[in-house]
Amino acid sequence: GQQVQQSPTSLVLQEGENAELQCNFSTSLNSMQWFYQRPGGSLVSVFYNPSGTKQSGRLTSTTVIKERRSSLHISSSQITDSGTYLCAMSNYNVLYFGSGTKLTVEP
Amino acid sequence: EAAVTQSPRNKVAVTGGKVTLSCNQTNNHNNMYWYRQDTGHGLRLIHYSYGAGSTEKGDIPDGYKASRPSQENFSLILELATPSQTSVYFCASGTGISGNTLYFGEGSRLIVV
Repeated sequence: GQQVQQSPTSLVLQEGENAELQCNFSTSLNSMQWFYQRPGGSLVSVFYNPSGTKQSGRLTSTTVIKERRSSLHISSSQITDSGTYLCAMSNYNVLYFGSGTKLTVEP
Repeated sequence: EAAVTQSPRNKVAVTGGKVTLSCNQTNNHNNMYWYRQDTGHGLRLIHYSYGAGSTEKGDIPDGYKASRPSQENFSLILELATPSQTSVYFCASGTGISGNTLYFGEGSRLIVV
């Protein structure tokens, strides 16, 4: 199957600090997406970003296709940002997921 | 609002027993997917479907069957459950158009004893 590697595996921040999450993939892809999973819950899409840089509020995603990598930057982290962030690469109709980065934001 | 509903949400099964996980979507999406999530492995694709009557194997189909009797419903079937199938299972739906996201259910936690 496709290989999607995420780093770091876990990250602990103090509220207000910034976070940088990384995703690397082994093969070419159609698109890259980032999902957020709340503790013990379901997944929701936070970014669809096949290439370039996109920003939504405090979140910025950058995908560099040629280098087979994508990043998610969270600025001024808040306690409610805590959860797991998963990247997923798309090969036509199927999404392949990384193992996720567990983010904990402490007061 | 997109809606994907899974049942049961929690299930304890005995080894060798049959388990059916059900998924219903009201999005009128063509594509549906079953993933399992285990610590250290992220989400791994088991089976997926392009529409009613179709099922396709994902990366880890062994020990699982799938059934798509209608646009709305997609089931995952464990004919002979084993402890290694203890996991959290997620169903998702999507349009299948490149770049379109998936909508996930809340997950079904299965424990096989």
